[in-house]
Amino acid sequence: SAVISQKPSRDICQRGTSLTIQCQVDSQVTMMFWYRQQPGQSLTLIATANQGSEATYESGFVIDKFPISRPNLTFSTLTVSNMSPEDSSIYLCSVGGNSDTQYFGPGTRLTVL
Amino acid sequence: GQQVMQIPQYQHVQEGEDFTTYCNSSTTLSNIQWYKQRPGGHPVFLIQLVKSGEVKKQKRLTFQFGEAKKNSSLHITATQTTDVGTYFCAGMDSNYQLIWGAGTKLIIKP
Repeated sequence: SAVISQKPSRDICQRGTSLTIQCQVDSQVTMMFWYRQQPGQSLTLIATANQGSEATYESGFVIDKFPISRPNLTFSTLTVSNMSPEDSSIYLCSVGGNSDTQYFGPGTRLTVL
Repeated sequence: GQQVMQIPQYQHVQEGEDFTTYCNSSTTLSNIQWYKQRPGGHPVFLIQLVKSGEVKKQKRLTFQFGEAKKNSSLHITATQTTDVGTYFCAGMDSNYQLIWGAGTKLIIKP
């Protein structure tokens, strides 16, 4: 399985600011995913990021709020823009494994004041 | 949209008791995956079931996929403190979308 790291691991931000989360993989992968997980809740897919193409966003998520970059096959960023307290959550990146399975990074715990 | 219902939301057990979580989909799934998330951790892939009626075992964990490929279960025999966490199922639908269950939190009573 791939080894995935995320930066930062946690942050406390003021409302109205933006935070960029980085996801680094130790091997080249085609598909990377960004999820949000509220405390005690399930995972909600934000978008799928494929290298060389625009990210595909799920219903309820828009590029202006969550711009994503995917400059190469080992790296992606997710920006949470113009943050409000409702954006407080854990943000997880994942990569596709064999047979549609997924491997997750350690997550970024975001608190917006 | 498509949903995968997972029950129960919580299960409190004494150490040594068994634990079971169930997932049900309204539509046929191409596969179902199970993940474990320890408190404060991230989801970790456990297993994938693909075939109708498939049963797989990992030590004390038994995973089943229903004959109609719409339901699945995870059974843990003789729970240990290391089993504590939330268990998620995730079903792959016909559009290759992974639909996540709500998770079942396993709590060991002190």
